[in-house]
Amino acid sequence: QSALTQPASVSGSPRQSITISCTGTSSDVGKYNFVSWYQHHPGKVPKIIIYEVDKRPSGVSDRFSGSKSGNTASLTISGLQAEDEADYFCYSYGGSDAFGVFGGGTKLTVL
Amino acid sequence: EVQLLESGGGLVPPGGSLRLSCAASGFTFSNYAMSWVRQAPGKGLEWVSGITGSGRDTYYAVSVKGRFTISRDNSKNTLYLQMNSLRAEDTAIYYCAKLVYRTYYDYWGQGTLVTVSS
Repeated sequence: QSALTQPASVSGSPRQSITISCTGTSSDVGKYNFVSWYQHHPGKVPKIIIYEVDKRPSGVSDRFSGSKSGNTASLTISGLQAEDEADYFCYSYGGSDAFGVFGGGTKLTVL
Repeated sequence: EVQLLESGGGLVPPGGSLRLSCAASGFTFSNYAMSWVRQAPGKGLEWVSGITGSGRDTYYAVSVKGRFTISRDNSKNTLYLQMNSLRAEDTAIYYCAKLVYRTYYDYWGQGTLVTVSS
């Protein structure tokens, strides 16, 4: 399986909204509603923020939302805050014969 | 409280071997698939290997297949990664992570650094 495709970087100002895309194939993102998103601050443990395309774990801000269309999933962060500055990775389930695949990661800069 | 604690990382020369361990607590270990995920310096997360809860089925990234072996001891609540024929490009922080129905990771360890260099 090839890595999912994410933009290398995105940026936004405080209180703005940004969207990060995650493009896979009809064998992963397009086939299953099992896309998850992780926030990773350097030196810290990755934290899940979205699972099953659009579900938020308990304790995750509702400023984070997920969606999917075809082979592309998206993470939207609204009302950007300084603490949102981090790396964001998507992950898709790959089917019963394989484990999943990560995206290359997107560095979010809050201007 | 779920805890995952990796150990076993270090400096090893090219061609060398290393065995990573991940001690799990706070959940019924044998009920969950587990993975090793790594992050090389300046790079993104890369899935390395995965294993089902029973340990019967194992999976590997192409980049490590034939060199790495994942295993688990459910009686000791411990996940392992035996890494042989190590290369410079295997240098990374290695995380163990707990899967939910093999679809997403809900808990991660702190990671252990593996450096392959002469």
